[in-house]
Amino acid sequence: SQQGEEDPQALSIQEGENATMNCSYKTSINNLQWYRQNSGRGLVHLILIRSNEREKHSGRLRVTLDTSKKSSSLLITASRAADTASYFCAVSSGGGADGLTFGKGTHLIIQP
Amino acid sequence: EPEVTQTPSHQVTQMGQEVILRCVPISNHLYFYWYRQILGQKVEFLVSFYNNEISEKSEIFDDQFSVERPDGSNFTLKIRSTKLEDSAMYFCASKVGGSGSYNEQFFGPGTRLTVL
Repeated sequence: SQQGEEDPQALSIQEGENATMNCSYKTSINNLQWYRQNSGRGLVHLILIRSNEREKHSGRLRVTLDTSKKSSSLLITASRAADTASYFCAVSSGGGADGLTFGKGTHLIIQP
Repeated sequence: EPEVTQTPSHQVTQMGQEVILRCVPISNHLYFYWYRQILGQKVEFLVSFYNNEISEKSEIFDDQFSVERPDGSNFTLKIRSTKLEDSAMYFCASKVGGSGSYNEQFFGPGTRLTVL
């Protein structure tokens, strides 16, 4: 079964620095999505990248996808204390109602 | 901005009891989902629902689980006889659907289920 697996498991950086999180998966996908989860809260959708796309931007977020390596990265530029959260990638194999397969997440801490 | 809502935010129940978790998906969405997240673990897919029937379910979604869309707005998850290991955060999600499968899934805030 396909899986999204993020690394690192935890990342602590200074405010203003860039944060990069990686995700790997095992099988072919239709799209890959990144979500943020603040402690004990729900999942907030950040960005979706399709399997035929290589890079996508949204505000301070930049996502890349390399289907040959079955990997994706999420870059948050100019980090802020409010970016402190867990970040998950989730993959979809396609089909209208397919469920997402999530990774274990990267816990990002932004030091003020 | 429209959002997925879930009630209750926290449910405490005794082992063996039935629970119903409720969700109101975004109104023009066609696909509905339930996920769970055991404390400290990753989010796991349970079931998807489209056109008033289950589309896909995971191995977690056994006979103790059922889903229903009793009216035009609510989407429920029932656990018939809860076990201690059912304690988790349960998330509802929905997506627009349509001809493509690229649509984002939007998640509700979750219901924390505690089984004693």
